[in-house]
Amino acid sequence: DAGVTQSPTHLIKTRGQQVTLRCSPKSGHDTVSWYQQALGQGPQFIFQYYEEEERQRGNFPDRFSGHQFPNYSSELNVNALLLGDSALYLCASTKGGSDTQYFGPGTRLTVL
Amino acid sequence: QKEVEQDPGPLSVPEGAIVSLNCTYSNSAFQYFMWYRQYSRKGPELLMYTYSSGNKEDGRFTAQVDKSSKYISLFIRDSQPSDSATYLCAMSVSGNTPLVFGKGTRLSVIA
Repeated sequence: DAGVTQSPTHLIKTRGQQVTLRCSPKSGHDTVSWYQQALGQGPQFIFQYYEEEERQRGNFPDRFSGHQFPNYSSELNVNALLLGDSALYLCASTKGGSDTQYFGPGTRLTVL
Repeated sequence: QKEVEQDPGPLSVPEGAIVSLNCTYSNSAFQYFMWYRQYSRKGPELLMYTYSSGNKEDGRFTAQVDKSSKYISLFIRDSQPSDSATYLCAMSVSGNTPLVFGKGTRLSVIA
């Protein structure tokens, strides 16, 4: 049973560029949440997708957007990258109303 | 005041020691409490999950929640070098609501 997978593993971008990160949820899971983890900090909630709609959003600017596909996989897009966007981006999945979220390995984004 | 406070450490203990990790929180609406283990440059791995107050034991790990004090703990018995990682506490108000994390405590178990 495959767990949560994310791609790519690492990414290097320059300021002002745009980036797309991808996530495939654990088998049987239909809800995907994205988190940003800066170095030495705990993960911070960005947003959550369920039934292809953004259901909840954290305190992140509109430069952060997402999408969920019919197969429950999800993308996180970040426009106009800033140096401060450098972080580990984590995807977590869960099933319906379950309270247990399972995390993927993350995508490490470096903005130069 | 942050919603969840966690001492970042680092914490260094000898192999076989009992480790105590703690978090305090300010939001009395939190009902679900979790501990995640995160190895360097990896995603968080769910270790323990507790609903409301009480204790939960799983092998060498024990999680405790005291909602009256807004305080949660994770105990690791007979600690091993493989337990060396960052331990993150996380909590949420209800199922499928966002997790709010502490900063994580970095633990090193020395052989």
